[in-house]
Amino acid sequence: KQEVTQIPAALSVPEGENLVLNCSFTDSAIYNLQWFRQDPGKGLTSLLLIQSSQREQTSGRLNASLDKSSGRSTLYIAASQPGDSATYLCAVRPPSYDKVIFGPGTSLSVIP
Amino acid sequence: ETGVTQSPTHLIKTRGQQVTLRCSSQSGHNTVSWYQQALGQGPQFIFQYYREEENGRGNFPPRFSGLQFPNYSSELNVNALELDDSALYLCASSFGTGNNEQFFGPGTRLTVL
Repeated sequence: KQEVTQIPAALSVPEGENLVLNCSFTDSAIYNLQWFRQDPGKGLTSLLLIQSSQREQTSGRLNASLDKSSGRSTLYIAASQPGDSATYLCAVRPPSYDKVIFGPGTSLSVIP
Repeated sequence: ETGVTQSPTHLIKTRGQQVTLRCSSQSGHNTVSWYQQALGQGPQFIFQYYREEENGRGNFPPRFSGLQFPNYSSELNVNALELDDSALYLCASSFGTGNNEQFFGPGTRLTVL
């Protein structure tokens, strides 16, 4: 059974710092891995999607990496800003069903 | 291109009641998936509809049911509401099944008193 975990559960950093969020999954048989942002009480905004054949994806200040063999992904945020404060969720797409399996999220707070 | 929309935004019900939540898929998408997100947790897959048929189901009891219409919009119905059903309900649409990105709506916040 695929399980997704995220460490840390919460993170508080001063503005301008670079930071790394971690995601682990137990079954390396995945179609893709996706990182989402969620503001309090709101829906999900897709940040980056990495296909199983890819190693990383970049968008602006965000860089996500994928190591399928070790069951890990990282989301790197450069030069953090207060507007980056949100919960970040990673999710994997297993090959047997079309659902997406989410981790519990990391709550990020960037202090001005 | 219109994104995924959900209605209503918020809903308050009492235990034992029934509720219907609605989702309009993104233009060109024929697949809708529903998720339940309890406070402080990641979303949990409820079920998926593809071309008006259920195409996969998560670990939810039968009182959670759904429909998909010919225009690919969808409904989530929950009968005999329980306090633990209080959550944010998200729908996501995609084109086809398999390795296609899902696009999420803003969610419906359901509170059961």
